[in-house]
Amino acid sequence: AQSVTQPDIHITVSEGASLELRCNYSYGATPYLFWYVQSPGQGLQLLLKYFSGDTLVQGIKGFEAEFKRSQSSFNLRKPSVHWSDAAEYFCAVGARAGKSTFGDGTTLTVKP
Amino acid sequence: GAVVSQHPSRVICKSGTSVKIECRSLDFQATTMFWYRQFPKKSLMLMATSNEGSKATYEQGVEKDKFLINHASLTLSTLTVTSAHPEDSSFYICSARDPQGMNTEAFFGQGTRLTVV
Repeated sequence: AQSVTQPDIHITVSEGASLELRCNYSYGATPYLFWYVQSPGQGLQLLLKYFSGDTLVQGIKGFEAEFKRSQSSFNLRKPSVHWSDAAEYFCAVGARAGKSTFGDGTTLTVKP
Repeated sequence: GAVVSQHPSRVICKSGTSVKIECRSLDFQATTMFWYRQFPKKSLMLMATSNEGSKATYEQGVEKDKFLINHASLTLSTLTVTSAHPEDSSFYICSARDPQGMNTEAFFGQGTRLTVV
């Protein structure tokens, strides 16, 4: 069975500081990996995805993620965080059928 | 990317009544749609897979008689919460897969906040 672990429930960073959100997955085949962001009361917005190829993936809003097969990880990074990045972040692993398993999410707070 | 529209965005209903939530793929035909439920401060839980022209596949522990799913066309799936109770209050999100797309990602609707009073 597939599963996703986001070890950090809540992270606080100062505006302008760098950010890394951790994601570990368990999947029996080549994973399809996603990072989503959710603002309060809103749906999900796709930040980036990995299907194959280059293991460093660029996404929207200045985010990037690196797929490391040996560590079963897909960590999300941003070099300089903006106050508008405060939100809930979900890592997900998807089967070819499009069905996704989500991690429990990481809440990001940005200090001025 | 493809657009998935969910309606309504918010609904309040009385306990014992039923409420229908619509999920539409606006610019592609979705043979498969997915319904998720999200509890406060919690992750998304897959409830069921909706297949056009056939019965939905429910995840373990989801009451199929309580959460009726209909996928009558290639662009519309509906979730009906029957005889709603306060414990059904939640955020419901649908996603749809574009079978013609280059990749297998699913596109998410904006969600429906259901409050049962």
